[in-house]
Amino acid sequence: DAGVIQSPRHEVTEMGQEVTLRCKPISGHNSLFWYRQTMMRGLELLIYFNNNVPIDDSGMPEDRFSAKMPNASFSTLKIQPSEPRDSAVYFCASSFSAGQETQYFGPGTRLLVL
Amino acid sequence: GQQLNQSPQSMFIQEGEDVSMNCTSSSIFNTWLWYKQEPGEGPVLLIALYKAGELTSNGRLTAQFGITRKDSFLNISASIPSDVGIYFCAAGINKFYFGSGTKLNVKP
Repeated sequence: DAGVIQSPRHEVTEMGQEVTLRCKPISGHNSLFWYRQTMMRGLELLIYFNNNVPIDDSGMPEDRFSAKMPNASFSTLKIQPSEPRDSAVYFCASSFSAGQETQYFGPGTRLLVL
Repeated sequence: GQQLNQSPQSMFIQEGEDVSMNCTSSSIFNTWLWYKQEPGEGPVLLIALYKAGELTSNGRLTAQFGITRKDSFLNISASIPSDVGIYFCAAGINKFYFGSGTKLNVKP
């Protein structure tokens, strides 16, 4: 079975540009999570969805960040405008539910904002 | 916010040695997870724990869910070079919080 799929795997952009990260969760999973990983702050939960509905976006750093899940098989995380401090690895994860179910991670998108 | 205290931060061991790492929290959680992350990849689930006191093994890995529900440990027996990576604990009820990771280095 295919795991969580993320694209692109690497993104290099200039400050001020819009960045869109994409995620396809594991088929049948009802919950989707976006994380950011940096050396300084480790793994941080940005937002999670349950049945395509955003449940908790308290981790979204600023209004420049937005996330959508238009259907059960696709989600996007958008940064507009991007800044150098947004450089990080962004992971998408999915699970059967947002409760006690374990999460399975995608390979991540490595973002570098110059 | 919630914090998980994971230790040690890093370990340098000889192949064949046993390894132990742990996570503690000031809050009670219903689920504890242990992940391993290798360079350029996402975290991969190793062991999931759902009951206080539960002891679960996965090959050479053994993890326990603390009886107080505020801690967990992971042991790796007879380490091998491919055990190298960063190990994360995670705990949660409705959403998961992650520890800062234990970087394991194994010398052949």
